[in-house]
Amino acid sequence: AQSVTQLDSQVPVFEEAPVELRCNYSSSVSVYLFWYVQYPNQGLQLLLKYLSGSTLVKGINGFEAEFNKSQTSFHLRKPSVHISDTAEYFCAVSEIASYDKVIFGPGTSLSVIP
Amino acid sequence: EAGVAQSPRYKIIEKRQSVAFWCNPISGHATLYWYQQILGQGPKLLIQFQNNGVVDDSQLPKDRFSAERLKGVDSTLKIQPAKLEDSAVYLCASSFPGGWYGYTFGSGTRLTVV
Repeated sequence: AQSVTQLDSQVPVFEEAPVELRCNYSSSVSVYLFWYVQYPNQGLQLLLKYLSGSTLVKGINGFEAEFNKSQTSFHLRKPSVHISDTAEYFCAVSEIASYDKVIFGPGTSLSVIP
Repeated sequence: EAGVAQSPRYKIIEKRQSVAFWCNPISGHATLYWYQQILGQGPKLLIQFQNNGVVDDSQLPKDRFSAERLKGVDSTLKIQPAKLEDSAVYLCASSFPGGWYGYTFGSGTRLTVV
């Protein structure tokens, strides 16, 4: 069965510094990978997704993620964070054969310090 | 386009009472999901509909939870009777068929059971 691990539950970072949020997944078949962001008291919003092709995926708000099949990872990065990036970030995986079923990780809380 | 609409935004009930949540997905999205998000955790899938049929309800506590999607559009999720551990945010999401699209989430209903 598929599963998602986010190694850091909380990540504090100073404004304008780079950040990496780590995600590892477990699956025996090919997968789609996603990153979602959740701002306080809101639903989740899709940041970016990996379906196939280039392993470097660019998303909204300056975020990007790199798929590494050998390490079963999909880490999220941003070269310079802003206060407005403070939010909860969820990595998610969907097995291609599972007909839309998406499993979410436990989330990483990103706090940007002014 | 209009987003996924959910109501109510907040609900406080006593244990053993019943409660219902409503969701209106994005027009044209055939697939609808209900997720439960307990504080500090990632969303957990409760039930998935494809049009008005159930695709996956393996994680739905069927002794107390029920959901329906009449006419393949709006959906309601009901809890009867509620327990303290049901306190969570209930998120509705919709998508086109096919896991590669990613989901659009509503803002959720925050349920507190006292």
